[in-house]
Amino acid sequence: QVTLRESGPALVKPTQTLTLTCTFSGFSLSTGGMCVSWIRQPPGKALEWLALIDWDDDKYYSTSLKTRLTISKDTSKNQVVLTMTKMDPVDTATYYCARTYGDLYYFDYWGQGTLVTVSS
Amino acid sequence: EIVMTQSPATLSVSPGERATLSCRTSQSVSSNLAWYQQKPGQAPRLLIYGASTRATGIPARFSGSGSGTEFTLTISSLQSEDFAVYYCQQYNNWWTFGQGTKVEIK
Repeated sequence: QVTLRESGPALVKPTQTLTLTCTFSGFSLSTGGMCVSWIRQPPGKALEWLALIDWDDDKYYSTSLKTRLTISKDTSKNQVVLTMTKMDPVDTATYYCARTYGDLYYFDYWGQGTLVTVSS
Repeated sequence: EIVMTQSPATLSVSPGERATLSCRTSQSVSSNLAWYQQKPGQAPRLLIYGASTRATGIPARFSGSGSGTEFTLTISSLQSEDFAVYYCQQYNNWWTFGQGTKVEIK
């Protein structure tokens, strides 16, 4: 079955760079139409899409965060990595990775999320 | 960016009653709209895609309708496990989410 799991630091300091890893199973990111996204949710707030990488290594970023984000994949390890530079307390959130597959880009499988707190 | 507006912010409903949730988009998204359910401490779960197609394993009491800029999620008879926050999301032009509707017990 399809599973995704996020991992990374629970606490980062302001100005530092955050690196999160999404490790997945049950599908391959080399399959045509397959994509993985990162989505975040500040405590008590709504969901915000951050970035997407597809099977062809095309990358898409949120316009508002584009300068701070980098998404990459390691197909052999079934992993997608997100880096976010210049972390600020407002970036405190639960970060999710999620899968899309096919022509319609809704998120059919999600990881359980990882809470990242930005504080000195 | 397409802006999503959900209403109401909170909906108080008694078990067994019908719940109707609304989602409006700032420009047409055709039928490229999904609904998700999120319970406290959990990841969102896909309920509806293509505005009206139930995802695998989703009970028939959940139904979606609409196209263009106006969409509705209806829960025909609320069960205890349905009290949660519901988000709409468009995927016609990049990806944006609504602010959510909390369905609480009346």
